[in-house]
This record gives sequence, C-alpha cells and structure tokens, in this order.
Amino acid sequence: LAKTTQPISMDSYEGQEVNITCSHNNIATNDYITWYQQFPSQGPRFIIQGYKTKVTNEVASLFIPADRKSSTLSLPRVSLSDTAVYYCLVGDSYEGRNTPLVFGKGTRLSVIA
Amino acid sequence: DTEVTQTPKHLVMGMTNKKSLKCEQHMGHRAMYWYKQKAKKPPELMFVYSYEKLSINESVPSRFSPECPNSSLLNLHLHALQPEDSALYLCASSQDSGGWYEQYFGPGTRLTVT
Repeated sequence: LAKTTQPISMDSYEGQEVNITCSHNNIATNDYITWYQQFPSQGPRFIIQGYKTKVTNEVASLFIPADRKSSTLSLPRVSLSDTAVYYCLVGDSYEGRNTPLVFGKGTRLSVIA
Repeated sequence: DTEVTQTPKHLVMGMTNKKSLKCEQHMGHRAMYWYKQKAKKPPELMFVYSYEKLSINESVPSRFSPECPNSSLLNLHLHALQPEDSALYLCASSQDSGGWYEQYFGPGTRLTVT
C-alpha cells in the first residue's frame, strides 16, 4: 500500500485559500487519491478524489502533477467551520479487490477568525 | 438515504461485560467496515466485510468479534475488553471494497471500558 505523508498541522485565517500537500512517492498505477475531512467526534467525510491532473467540486480542488507522487488539496476561502483534520489516502481501483484505504496521520487545520 | 447509523452513541462497560455495537446502512452497499479511533489519531481499520463475508481482519484480538447478519447490518460483539480498548468505534460502508470507492462513515460509538 502506498504510504502518505502530510504536514501535521496548519493554521489559516478566515477567507484565505488553504493548500494541503500530500506526498505519496510509491503510488501505484492503479491507485486513486482520495481526501477525507473529519470533525471532532464524527466519522470522516469524503471530500474529493482524483487520478491525475485537476479535479474540482463544490467543496475543494485537487491538483495532481504528472508524476502523481504528490497531490494538493485546495480549500478556497476557508471559514471557521473548515477547522478539521484532513486525511489523504491512496487506494487502488480494482473492482472488489480487498485493499481498502489506509488512513495516514492527517493534517489538523485550524482556521482563525 | 446516504446515512450510516450506529448504536449506541456511547457505551460504558466493565472488563467482564459482553456488549454489542450495531451499524446499519440502506444504500445497497456491499462492503462494510469497522474502524477504531483513539483520540488525536487516525482511524485504524479492524475488519472488512465484502458481500457479507469477512474479507479482512487486521490482526484484531479475539475479544472483538464481528458479525454481518445481512447486507445492511454489521455488528461488533465485545467481550472481556481492556481499558486500552476505550476509543471511538466507527462503522463505514462503500459500494464495493476496492480502495477507490467512497466510504460513508457513521457517527461512531464512544466506548469506555472501566
């Protein structure tokens, strides 16, 4: 399984764009990159997923360079409610294959007013 | 309905008690998971069920016993737990068990072993 490395914590002011980079040097050809968000005492929540280049949804953007050895989650104009732990995970795309996602240490984002 | 429900929300049990955690989903998902999460740590995978069969057991002690009675229900039976087993127990489900499928998590059961 590809191992991921993220910053332990980040601070940001409200209204700023936040970029969290995840390193996954041994990502395999069939691996997708997925980001989850977790608030205290709640289960993680899917944010975004991608394979290469750029993916955007109503919540975030995910940038993946051509070598796919890293990825960057971009949160536009964060608010206090974006304070959470963000996990980057790497998992393969084979249907029914039993290689579920493994959570790394995550990045604790604190948004300051 | 994209919800995974877990009961109870909180559970306090002694080391000699037997209790069960329950998880339910009605999204037609064929993979279900149990995770354990300690404070300020990431979720740790315990078990994976795929099409109602146990497909992964991450070397979990036998005092934790999973059960999948049907495709919508997942139980975790607890017996003779230790204080260090106190944690948030999370259930999740996904369409299938491949690593790229979005997992839907329940709110968790906060377990305290005294």
